[in-house]
Amino acid sequence: AQTVTQSQPEMSVQEAETVTLSCTYDTSENNYYLFWYKQPPSRQMILVIRQEAYKQQNATENRFSVNFQKAAKSFSLKISDSQLGDTAMYFCASLTGANSKLTFGKGITLSVRP
Amino acid sequence: SQTIHQWPATLVQPVGSPLSLECTVEGTSNPNLYWYRQAAGRGLQLLFYSVGIGQISSEVPQNLSASRPQDRQFILSSKKLLLSDSGFYLCAWSVNGRALHFGNGTRLTVT
Repeated sequence: AQTVTQSQPEMSVQEAETVTLSCTYDTSENNYYLFWYKQPPSRQMILVIRQEAYKQQNATENRFSVNFQKAAKSFSLKISDSQLGDTAMYFCASLTGANSKLTFGKGITLSVRP
Repeated sequence: SQTIHQWPATLVQPVGSPLSLECTVEGTSNPNLYWYRQAAGRGLQLLFYSVGIGQISSEVPQNLSASRPQDRQFILSSKKLLLSDSGFYLCAWSVNGRALHFGNGTRLTVT
């Protein structure tokens, strides 16, 4: 079974600073994908970044980047130059190719302070 | 381009009434489809997922059921709603893990 763990329930960061959100996962599959999703107060789920497990290079999307440590099963999200619009709940998720099942962590509430 | 439609956006239903939430995807073929529920301020719970027409996997025993009558249509149903069915329901689709998109969600309140 897949599990995704986000142990930090909430974090706060000053505007323009950098913050890292932690995530660990467990899977017996070799082929899987990892995601970070953002859920603002509107509750719409927005894909932030995606990582394919077979790729060693860490994914980046503008101010968002990941630190993917496959052996440690760790997948953290770094947000650089934090903006007020980054305030949201962030979910880490894993998807395996075998059963196409997407599993989410419990999420972390990020607040960006002006 | 691919789009996902989920409706209704908001629904208030009395206990014991039936439920039907619909989700359709456009612009792609044979997507994997999912129904999630999110309680207020909490994470997402996978309810059902489908890898093809008529193929439904249930993750949590409950008062709900799902059906996939067409390739790009996914329906969440209940014959008799319970108070505990209240929540925010999200439909999502993916294709080979390359893209994962969510609908705007349905806020269900059972009174």
